[in-house]
Amino acid sequence: GEDVEQSLFLSVREGDSSVINCTYTDSSSTYLYWYKQEPGAGLQLLTYIFSNMDMKQDQRLTVLLNKKDKHLSLRIADTQTGDSAIYFCAEREYSSASKIIFGSGTRLSIRP
Amino acid sequence: DARVTQTPRHKVTEMGQEVTMRCQPILGHNTVFWYRQTMMQGLELLAYFRNRAPLDDSGMPKDRFSAEMPDATLATLKIQPSEPRDSAVYFCASGGFGANVLTFGAGSRLTVL
Repeated sequence: GEDVEQSLFLSVREGDSSVINCTYTDSSSTYLYWYKQEPGAGLQLLTYIFSNMDMKQDQRLTVLLNKKDKHLSLRIADTQTGDSAIYFCAEREYSSASKIIFGSGTRLSIRP
Repeated sequence: DARVTQTPRHKVTEMGQEVTMRCQPILGHNTVFWYRQTMMQGLELLAYFRNRAPLDDSGMPKDRFSAEMPDATLATLKIQPSEPRDSAVYFCASGGFGANVLTFGAGSRLTVL
């Protein structure tokens, strides 16, 4: 079945770049997503990429997709304290049901 | 600002009691997803609906959980009887046609004693 995996924790220094990685198993995924969850809140969509794209950039965020390796990454440039959160990778399967499966989330902490 | 509304935000109950969580999807959205978040399991998909019809509820314990959409503006998730292992945050999310992007509610935090 489908599976999405992420490392649980990442710690970076303020001002550095953060790179959060994700692997998935469904080669027929159509969309891949990054969501952000701040403490006590729901998930907010950060960005998403269609499976026929390799890269998407949106201000400080860069998403890279390697379909051959089924690897997705999110790079946050100039990481700030407000970026502290849990980041979820998710995939949408290609089928009539098209359910969206999430990884366990990567908790990003920022060091001064 | 369109949002998904979930009630209650917090619920503490005793084992064996019935719990009902409600979700009001964004007006016009035709897909609704229920997820459960725990420290151990992360974010699990419990069930989801399209045009009020259940498409997949394979992630839901059938013996005690049930999910319904009585109308297009209300989705419910019921647990009867509740158990301590059901303690978690339950999220509802809705999506428009194609459900390429989901909008999440703030979640219902359930504690079963």
